[in-house]
Amino acid sequence: KQEVTQIPAALSVPEGENLVLNCSFTDSAIYNLQWFRQDPGKGLTSLLLIQSSQREQTSGRLNASLDKSSGRSTLYIAASQPGDSATYLCAVRDSGYALNFGKGTSLLVTP
Amino acid sequence: GAVVSQHPSWVICKSGTSVKIECRSLDFQATTMFWYRQFPKQSLMLMATSNEGSKATYEQGVEKDKFLINHASLTLSTLTVTSAHPEDSSFYICSASPSADTQYFGPGTRLTVL
Repeated sequence: KQEVTQIPAALSVPEGENLVLNCSFTDSAIYNLQWFRQDPGKGLTSLLLIQSSQREQTSGRLNASLDKSSGRSTLYIAASQPGDSATYLCAVRDSGYALNFGKGTSLLVTP
Repeated sequence: GAVVSQHPSWVICKSGTSVKIECRSLDFQATTMFWYRQFPKQSLMLMATSNEGSKATYEQGVEKDKFLINHASLTLSTLTVTSAHPEDSSFYICSASPSADTQYFGPGTRLTVL
């Protein structure tokens, strides 16, 4: 069974810093990997989707990389802002439709 | 576009009662919908996959008689928590999939069972 781990569980940084969130998965036979943002008590917002054949995806200040062979992905956030404060979830899709989620990294960006 | 709604957004009920949660895709058709459950500071756990017009597929450990799922149309799936107990209190999130590559998530429903 696919297991997804996210490190760190929580992170606090001052505004303006660049930061990296990590995600690892146990089965490298994935279809794609997705990063989501979840605000407290809310649903999920998709940030970036990386297909298994891709190495990275970028959207604005966000960059996600994928190393399928080693079972790792990173989410890089440049020039962090207080509005980036949220929980970031990594999810892996393997052979089925459903997504396997990590527990998330809770990010706090302080002014 | 690609909006998924859930109703209600939160519900409080007494132990032993049943609660129905609706998941709707507002501007697209979804042949497949998923129901997830999330405990505080935990990851989303897939409960079941539902396909329009057929029975839902439940994940191991999820009681199908307790969590009834109906996917009656291409835009609506419902989750009914029967005879709810305090341990069923959780955040329930649905997602709707118009194609193999894409899932759109609803805003979630907070269930509290007293």
